[in-house]
Amino acid sequence: GESVGLHLPTLSVQEGDNSIINCAYSNSASDYFIWYKQESGKGPQFIIDIRSNMDKRQGQRVTVLLNKTVKHLSLQIAATQPGDSAVYFCAENPWILTGGGNKLTFGTGTQLKVEL
Amino acid sequence: NAGVTQTPKFQVLKTGQSMTLQCAQDMNHNSMYWYRQDPGMGLRLIYYSASEGTTDKGEVPNGYNVSRLNKREFSLRLESAAPSQTSVYFCASSGGQGAGEKQYFGPGTRLTVL
Repeated sequence: GESVGLHLPTLSVQEGDNSIINCAYSNSASDYFIWYKQESGKGPQFIIDIRSNMDKRQGQRVTVLLNKTVKHLSLQIAATQPGDSAVYFCAENPWILTGGGNKLTFGTGTQLKVEL
Repeated sequence: NAGVTQTPKFQVLKTGQSMTLQCAQDMNHNSMYWYRQDPGMGLRLIYYSASEGTTDKGEVPNGYNVSRLNKREFSLRLESAAPSQTSVYFCASSGGQGAGEKQYFGPGTRLTVL
């Protein structure tokens, strides 16, 4: 079946460096993608989203890139800080396939560890 | 605004026991969702309610029932708990069912079934 997955389960970066978290998706019909951050013991927190008609979207210190040709999504965090340490999930909404509706399919997550 | 709240935070059940997880949101959102998160995995949708008075199955609905009590509240019930239902349960809400509607999550309920 269709699924969303992440290439790396754990990513360690030095404080101040840039982080890149990757996500592969297999559902070419998905038209909406989201990145969530989950800190230990808390619920997922929205970071940034992107629609399939865009290649790039920037937020505060974060950028999401979408490559529909190879079905790849990435989250770039600039100047990574200790507070960025968390698990990051990508999620997709295969809106057309699910008959509409806001049903998300989540990837398995990447643990980002920021080293001082 | 408190956002999305869930009770209880922790719960331990014995196999066969029943319980109801409570969720409430104060953002006047139309849609609400229940997810489960197993160790090392992403969230999977159990049930959702697109609007008050409607509920639909998600990816993993077996063993669960839901009630959309009113616009604010959406409960999840385990009638006969099984060890396979040990998980962290998250409730979420969104303004509507559009593809671009952001989902806001509660802090979760950590459930252990012995």
